[in-house]
Amino acid sequence: SQQGEEDPQALSIQEGENATMNCSYKTSINNLQWYRQNSGRGLVHLILIRSNEREKHSGRLRVTLDTSKKSSSLLITASRAADTASYFCATFSNDYKLSFGAGTTVTVRA
Amino acid sequence: EPEVTQTPSHQVTQMGQEVILRCVPISNHLYFYWYRQILGQKVEFLVSFYNNEISEKSEIFDDQFSVERPDGSNFTLKIRSTKLEDSAMYFCASTQRPGDYEQYFGPGTRLTVT
Repeated sequence: SQQGEEDPQALSIQEGENATMNCSYKTSINNLQWYRQNSGRGLVHLILIRSNEREKHSGRLRVTLDTSKKSSSLLITASRAADTASYFCATFSNDYKLSFGAGTTVTVRA
Repeated sequence: EPEVTQTPSHQVTQMGQEVILRCVPISNHLYFYWYRQILGQKVEFLVSFYNNEISEKSEIFDDQFSVERPDGSNFTLKIRSTKLEDSAMYFCASTQRPGDYEQYFGPGTRLTVT
């Protein structure tokens, strides 16, 4: 089954605004991770939230996890042009692999 | 900060040829992975490797694929007879312990099969 489907597929915001993207998944998870990918480049790990956690912060990033709804959100506050990238959620279940969603492409306009 | 490295960054090969993609995971990590991303699509799991054996593999990882840890530092993915549809970005990842720690990804190898 597919895990980690992001919403929206694309997001365009003005510099300084907040960006919120959501991720839904289907099966139970051990943890959920968010990654960033700049165009044609590698995956950069942003934040990991465990299944027993509800919210986590890292700098300008805030992640929530609602296991009852099987959903997570990533909030980037005070966005910058450098935040322009694709953002992926990836779920980690007991099968020891990450299952990635299709990603949200974020464009931050100067 | 330690990082996962991959070589080459770009590999062009002809259909039917064998390719070996190389990765150097972070030194104290024990679990190793290969993922691939076809252009414009999501990242897909290929295989996980622990204690010198495959832990899990996806349906993509057929008999044409193999992985090896030939020494204490390298982790390789071999595709025996490449097909056009193998063209993708291949990412290596490693972690100390799955479930508790994030997976660290390398910068990827872009494989182009012509």
